[in-house]
Amino acid sequence: GEDVEQSLFLSVREGDSSVINCTYTDSSSTYLYWYKQEPGAGLQLLTYIFSNMDMKQDQRLTVLLNKKDKHLSLRIADTQTGDSAIYFCAENAGGTSYGKLTFGQGTILTVHP
Amino acid sequence: NAGVTQTPKFQVLKTGQSMTLQCAQDMNHEYMSWYRQDPGMGLRLIHYSVGAGITDQGEVPNGYNVSRSTTEDFPLRLLSAAPSQTSVYFCASSPMGAPEAFFGQGTRLTVV
Repeated sequence: GEDVEQSLFLSVREGDSSVINCTYTDSSSTYLYWYKQEPGAGLQLLTYIFSNMDMKQDQRLTVLLNKKDKHLSLRIADTQTGDSAIYFCAENAGGTSYGKLTFGQGTILTVHP
Repeated sequence: NAGVTQTPKFQVLKTGQSMTLQCAQDMNHEYMSWYRQDPGMGLRLIHYSVGAGITDQGEVPNGYNVSRSTTEDFPLRLLSAAPSQTSVYFCASSPMGAPEAFFGQGTRLTVV
């Protein structure tokens, strides 16, 4: 079955860039997502990328996709303390699979002043 | 603009009790899903619906029932709660033909 893997922890200093990495196994993945979860809250969709793209930029966020290696990354520029949260990578196969997401374990990002 | 609304936010059950977690969305989305979140395991899909009257099993369906009689509502039923069902439950909805999935705020369930 599909599998999505992430490293569990990342610690950065305020103002530095953060890079969160994710690998996936499903070659039929159509969309790949990054969600943010703050303590006690639901999941907030940050951004997503279609599988035929290799990069997407949205303000401080840059998503890179290496489809050959099945590797996805999220770069947060000028990381702030408000960026401290759990970040989930997820994928789906598109079509009638929209909404059927497979998630990674989540990466806990801690931003130090 | 309510989005996806889950009730209750917190619940404590005794082993063997039954209950229904409610999920409602006001965006007229066709697709709705239930996930459970356990520490270190991300979110796992329990059940899924592509429209009223149509449901399907996800990765971890055992112990849970669903039905979808309207587009707006997708309740999740625990018929006989077990401690292994202690978790945070999230409902999500998606529009047909679009990749975004929108999540509710979650229900934290403890089974003792």
